[in-house]
Amino acid sequence: QQQVKQSPQSLIVQKGGISIINCAYENTAFDYFPWYQQFPGKGPALLIAIRPDVSEKKEGRFTISFNKSAKQFSLHIMDSQPGDSATYFCAAKWGAQKLVFGQGTRLTINP
Amino acid sequence: EAGVAQSPRYKIIEKRQSVAFWCNPISGHATLYWYQQILGQGPKLLIQFQNNGVVDDSQLPKDRFSAERLKGVDSTLKIQPAKLEDSAVYLCASSLNADTGAQYFGPGTRLLVL
Repeated sequence: QQQVKQSPQSLIVQKGGISIINCAYENTAFDYFPWYQQFPGKGPALLIAIRPDVSEKKEGRFTISFNKSAKQFSLHIMDSQPGDSATYFCAAKWGAQKLVFGQGTRLTINP
Repeated sequence: EAGVAQSPRYKIIEKRQSVAFWCNPISGHATLYWYQQILGQGPKLLIQFQNNGVVDDSQLPKDRFSAERLKGVDSTLKIQPAKLEDSAVYLCASSLNADTGAQYFGPGTRLLVL
């Protein structure tokens, strides 16, 4: 119940393409769903986050799609660039409880 | 605004030795977290502080790990004695408070136990 399952483990996308990473959860008490981007040797950086009262949030080229009934959410990166190559983590929490992370997706954008 | 600071950035020790990591959170952030990130995995929470009190330490191996945040600002995480399986990146994060959701991470300390 405390898990967030993330897929795929790795993803290769051509420059200019759309990168899509998916996450699923079981705990319906989760009320905050962030995505983190992590470059090698760096800490995770908050990229974008959503709460379950909206179905989509867009910030620049990054969009979160949220399906409350299916208990799934996904990150879409439009016009993917080589600089987007990194590991992406979805996460979830509720209230003051701890943040639980997915296993991560290593994204590679080929030029 | 300065980010979360951590030191050292790298540490190599022999098993059974002790090691300490330091974290200074973003100014004004009441909540501080220590995470362990094993290679190829997502971060796992070890301990969460609200000001200088412990909120959650359920996943902290208390026989060897300890942490403190005495004045409610910076924090130290100690491992004594270290085991081979403690090799990981130790990340510190902070947030304004535990309810806001947004956590900001430091660069981490990469620990190698030989």
